[in-house]
Amino acid sequence: KAGVTQTPRYLIKTRGQQVTLSCSPISGHRSVSWYQQTPGQGLQFLFEYFSETQRNKGNFPGRFSGRQFSNSRSEMNVSTLELGDSALYLCASSEGLAGITDTQYFGPGTRLTVL
Amino acid sequence: GQQVMQIPQYQHVQEGEDFTTYCNSSTTLSNIQWYKQRPGGHPVFLIQLVKSGEVKKQKRLTFQFGEAKKNSSLHITATQTTDVGTYFCAGPKWGGSNYKLTFGKGTLLTVNP
Repeated sequence: KAGVTQTPRYLIKTRGQQVTLSCSPISGHRSVSWYQQTPGQGLQFLFEYFSETQRNKGNFPGRFSGRQFSNSRSEMNVSTLELGDSALYLCASSEGLAGITDTQYFGPGTRLTVL
Repeated sequence: GQQVMQIPQYQHVQEGEDFTTYCNSSTTLSNIQWYKQRPGGHPVFLIQLVKSGEVKKQKRLTFQFGEAKKNSSLHITATQTTDVGTYFCAGPKWGGSNYKLTFGKGTLLTVNP
């Protein structure tokens, strides 16, 4: 099976802009979770989608949003970008809800730089 | 804040030395997972522990789950340069509406050849 794919791999934006990141899970996986990774904070959970429904949300402002489509592909949107949003954004897929019993498979990430 | 604590944050060893990273939770975990992230890479699943007191081995790696299911450890025997990377533990934590997989901040292992 193909692994988790994320596009784009690298992105440079300026403050105030918005950005949309895409994640295609492993075929058959219904859960997609998003994480923000920064050197100081490690892996911070953003949200998880399962069967097109947001099942859980982390402690991020409303500027961060997401959605999942019927084919399980997911998008994450960040509006009004701030310098502090510069990070590696990782998505991970699993067959069932993450954390219950299923392990997660991570994509390569999107490196976002906000200038 | 972080609900899964991991120590140490950094560990530098000489090749051939052993290495251990520890993970602690304030609450009981139904399972604990370990991931490895190579420099410039993404986290890769290593193992999942479910049972109290469980011990699992993968070649030179030994994983343990505490009796109370609140702590875990990863021990690497005779480290090699290929072991370099950040090791994360993760456990499901109640997020208000569902469980979410909560990661420790990781232990960065560097190995001097």
